[in-house]
Amino acid sequence: DTAVSQTPKYLVTQMGNDKSIKCEQNLGHDTMYWYKQDSKKFLKIMFSYNNKELIINETVPNRFSPKSPDKAHLNLHINSLELGDSAVYFCASSHLAGGLSIQFFGPGTRLTVL
Amino acid sequence: AQRVTQPEKLLSVFKGAPVELKCNYSYSGSPELFWYVQYSRQRLQLLLRHISRESIKGFTADLNKGETSFHLKKPFAQEEDSAMYYCALSGPTSGSRLTFGEGTQLTVNP
Repeated sequence: DTAVSQTPKYLVTQMGNDKSIKCEQNLGHDTMYWYKQDSKKFLKIMFSYNNKELIINETVPNRFSPKSPDKAHLNLHINSLELGDSAVYFCASSHLAGGLSIQFFGPGTRLTVL
Repeated sequence: AQRVTQPEKLLSVFKGAPVELKCNYSYSGSPELFWYVQYSRQRLQLLLRHISRESIKGFTADLNKGETSFHLKKPFAQEEDSAMYYCALSGPTSGSRLTFGEGTQLTVNP
């Protein structure tokens, strides 16, 4: 299947732990993103990488560290998890079609911090 | 600064009724506007983009630069249209960044 995939789908962990979420796309896109969807369903961009280079870094605590080993992968590592980190994290990738950037989203990772 | 506003967090209509989901934006320049849809516990999917002027699943949206709006409309709502709808904006000065509105939860009642 050609798609954006994320693992794990669900992640339940204790406060203070460190965890990683992985994202892979096989669409041949150059740009990948991480978004956070909070409990009120508000979506906000966190990071964006283009060809393994960080191009968008919103005001996100430095406990969050993205890593892009190649342009098909963008992982998100979170240190010292806090209750407020509980959210659904969406990975996305994009290509330019007719000058328009269309983003394709992964299924999301529901993170619950206890 | 770019901003997208969806004034209605919740919208409830009956099956067969017309539906309009409002979206207003602010952007200095020529934006690209999109509507994304998220069905229950699923990923976001692109529904419409203003530049293609298409109709998907009976939905249309027209960019009104004078009113800085990009409202989503459907003449006859169906129960399967129940979902979260996000209006989003991108533009040349924002790179590939998408700025989302707060979302509108549409419920179509039988």
